Amino acid sequence: DAGVIQSPRHEVTEMGQEVTLRCKPISGHNSLFWYRQTMMRGLELLIYFNNNVPIDDSGMPEDRFSAKMPNASFSTLKIQPSEPRDSAVYFCASSLGGELREQYFGPGTRLTVT
Amino acid sequence: QKEVEQNSGPLSVPEGAIASLNCTYSDRGSQSFFWYRQYSGKSPELIMFIYSNGDKEDGRFTAQLNKASQYVSLLIRDSQPSDSATYLCAVAQGGSEKLVFGKGTKLTVNP
Repeated sequence: DAGVIQSPRHEVTEMGQEVTLRCKPISGHNSLFWYRQTMMRGLELLIYFNNNVPIDDSGMPEDRFSAKMPNASFSTLKIQPSEPRDSAVYFCASSLGGELREQYFGPGTRLTVT
Repeated sequence: QKEVEQNSGPLSVPEGAIASLNCTYSDRGSQSFFWYRQYSGKSPELIMFIYSNGDKEDGRFTAQLNKASQYVSLLIRDSQPSDSATYLCAVAQGGSEKLVFGKGTKLTVNP
């Protein structure tokens, strides 16, 4: 079975540009999570969806970040405008939903903003 | 602020030894606990989860949970060089899907 799919795997962009990261969760999973990982702050939850509805976006750093989940098999995380401090690895994870459910991670997108 | 603390290491053990990784958490309402392994440049991979006090064994891995002490650990028996990675502890509060991750412990198993 295919795991969580993310694209692109690497993104290099200039400050001020718009960046869109994409995620396809595991088929049948009802919850989707966006994380950011940096050396300084570790792995942080940005936002998560359940049944395509955003449940908690308290980890979204600022208004430059937005996320959507138009259907059960696709989600985007957008940064506009991007800044050098947004450079990080962004992971998408999915789970069957509900508490006591394991999350499975995608391969991540390494974002570099110059 | 809910926190999950791990010794950053590095923890170095010889091949064949037992590696012991520890994690403490601040939220007494936490109900589910996970251990992820992350190789350098790769994504976190779930290796163990535990929901009840006590021990849970899976192959060479044993997770131990003590909710009274707010402590969860991972033991790796017969450590192999392929176990060398960063191990992330993650905790979810009861009723929530949100995971709070520790910053991880880097383990090196020396041949």
